[in-house]
Amino acid sequence: DAGVIQSPRHEVTEMGQEVTLRCKPISGHDYLFWYRQTMMRGLELLIYFNNNVPIDDSGMPEDRFSAKMPNASFSTLKIQPSEPRDSAVYFCASSLWSSNQPQHFGDGTRLSIL
Amino acid sequence: RKEVEQDPGPFNVPEGATVAFNCTYSNSASQSFFWYRQDCRKEPKLLMSVYSSGNEDGRFTAQLNRASQYISLLIRDSKLSDSATYLCVVNNGNNRLAFGKGNQVVVIP
Repeated sequence: DAGVIQSPRHEVTEMGQEVTLRCKPISGHDYLFWYRQTMMRGLELLIYFNNNVPIDDSGMPEDRFSAKMPNASFSTLKIQPSEPRDSAVYFCASSLWSSNQPQHFGDGTRLSIL
Repeated sequence: RKEVEQDPGPFNVPEGATVAFNCTYSNSASQSFFWYRQDCRKEPKLLMSVYSSGNEDGRFTAQLNRASQYISLLIRDSKLSDSATYLCVVNNGNNRLAFGKGNQVVVIP
């Protein structure tokens, strides 16, 4: 079975540039989550969707970050303009509905902003 | 207070020994609990769910203490392949998971 697919795996860009991260959740999963992981702050939830609708975006750091889910099989996380402090590993995860269902993570995107 | 707190370690464990660690959570209304494992430069993966009655999966045993709001993980007969970071995870409702920073385990030959 295909898991959560993220692209790109690595991204290196200069500050000020727009960055777009992509995610394809597991087919049939109702929920999609975007996380950011750094050494200092650990794994932080940025935003999550239920049936393509954003439910909680309280973790989005600021207006430079935006996320969309135009359909059940695709989501994007965009940073514009990017800054060096955005450097982190960004994970996408998906799950079925239910508080007891685990989340399945993609391989992550390692983002470096120079 | 952080939603989930863990002692980062590292926990250096001789091969074959037993290691145990806890995490505490702040929300008494938390609904479900998990341990995830994360290898270096990899994504987190579910290790096991944690049930109120405690549960065991091979060499791994998880316990939940709702009164004291902590979760524990015990690894028996440690293998070199158990070296990883173990993330304590709490579901605070609406499928919103809170992750601890993890307990780093290093199994030494």
